[in-house]
Amino acid sequence: KNEVEQSPQNLTAQEGEFITINCSYSVGISALHWLQQHPGGGIVSLFMLSSGKKKHGRLIATINIQEKHSSLHITASHPRDSAVYICAVVIQGAQKLVFGQGTRLTINP
Amino acid sequence: DTGVSQNPRHKITKRGQNVTFRCDPISEHNRLYWYRQTLGQGPEFLTYFQNEAQLEKSRLLSDRFSAERPKGSFSTLEIQRTEQGDSAMYLCASSFQGAQETQYFGPGTRLLVL
Repeated sequence: KNEVEQSPQNLTAQEGEFITINCSYSVGISALHWLQQHPGGGIVSLFMLSSGKKKHGRLIATINIQEKHSSLHITASHPRDSAVYICAVVIQGAQKLVFGQGTRLTINP
Repeated sequence: DTGVSQNPRHKITKRGQNVTFRCDPISEHNRLYWYRQTLGQGPEFLTYFQNEAQLEKSRLLSDRFSAERPKGSFSTLEIQRTEQGDSAMYLCASSFQGAQETQYFGPGTRLLVL
């Protein structure tokens, strides 16, 4: 079993829909990252969380440390949001990131 | 553009050849990471440096793989005697050590071993 699991693996929605991507992890962590990867490989960091909730534009990320679960929400989704969204955790006492397998999001106009 | 550059962006090689990739991190970043990503999967950690010291290596990094960061700035990742299973995207990231440490990723080097 992977230390970081994401769901769903693939998600297709219509423009304007509210999107939720989930991430569960099984290890103690010091931080959790949400990353966005566009075709061609470039990865951009969206959020780093160690508790609570963060908001940036139409993106909201939440984390529940007790339940070892995080969610990424996109409000008023747009075709330009189409990308792979990856959850990654920093294991306590380590520096490296451990990644989920990613969620491929497609927003149709 | 995150400020982290990788060269080459694409590499096609024949099985058994050696390849070397370069990563130039953001200049003030003291930590540098190498990851590998195969198609449809999330990235996997390979190794990381703090300044010029290689502090951790994954079990994924076989004897054919070696990484260096000789002056604590750019880094190279060499794969000797490449195998078809080495075909992947090789990603580099850099960060500045701190409480709110964010890793900035390069565009990656896509390797295809024929």
